[in-house]
Amino acid sequence: EVQLVESGGGLVQPGGSLKLSCAASGFTFSGSAMHWVRQASGKGLEWVGRIRSKANSYATAYAASVKGRFTISRDDSKNTAYLQMNSLKTEDTAVYYCVPAAIQVWGQGTLVTVSS
Amino acid sequence: DIVMTQTPLSSPVTLGQPASISCRSSQSLVHSDGNTYLSWLQQRPGQPPRLLIYKISNRFSGVPDRFSGSGAGTDFTLKISRVEAEDVGVYYCMQATQFPWTFGQGTKVEIK
Repeated sequence: EVQLVESGGGLVQPGGSLKLSCAASGFTFSGSAMHWVRQASGKGLEWVGRIRSKANSYATAYAASVKGRFTISRDDSKNTAYLQMNSLKTEDTAVYYCVPAAIQVWGQGTLVTVSS
Repeated sequence: DIVMTQTPLSSPVTLGQPASISCRSSQSLVHSDGNTYLSWLQQRPGQPPRLLIYKISNRFSGVPDRFSGSGAGTDFTLKISRVEAEDVGVYYCMQATQFPWTFGQGTKVEIK
């Protein structure tokens, strides 16, 4: 069974940083690109970024709204993807989900609240 | 980016009756590999999104057969043959054919 467990969310002040983790199991993590998607309360789904597999040079890409502030990485030995978020803004407040490209299963997400 | 447009945005349905949601993309979703990466997600109140349908018409594991997907190119449809109380929620179409992934606005299915 495919499982995604996101963690690391919490309350942070504007301008602060947070690092999210996504522990994956039940599929070949190392072979799959991993995407991050977020959802503000009561809103729709917004793609944040993705990291490809080692075979694709771990290439990353980001939405314009987070480019230069967010960094995605992965540790295939731990079947875990990460989302480093810097210079956080109030508009980054959302539930963050990691989703494997190979099979679009969603975890429970982790809530990030940016507020003073 | 590909724009995904869903209609209707709200769908009040009587229990046991069918429901249908349309999704239109601003460009063809046929990938160069021949596949069409159009998926449907269900989000029940207070829950994360759940994959229902992938590649237009393939039901994901555990999804009841009252859910079906169809379409091609730029026009796609999700049908629920007989709506049950547990089907209440917001439904999203999403495309993964072209980078970046994009999503429809969501269609709220509620019981009349």
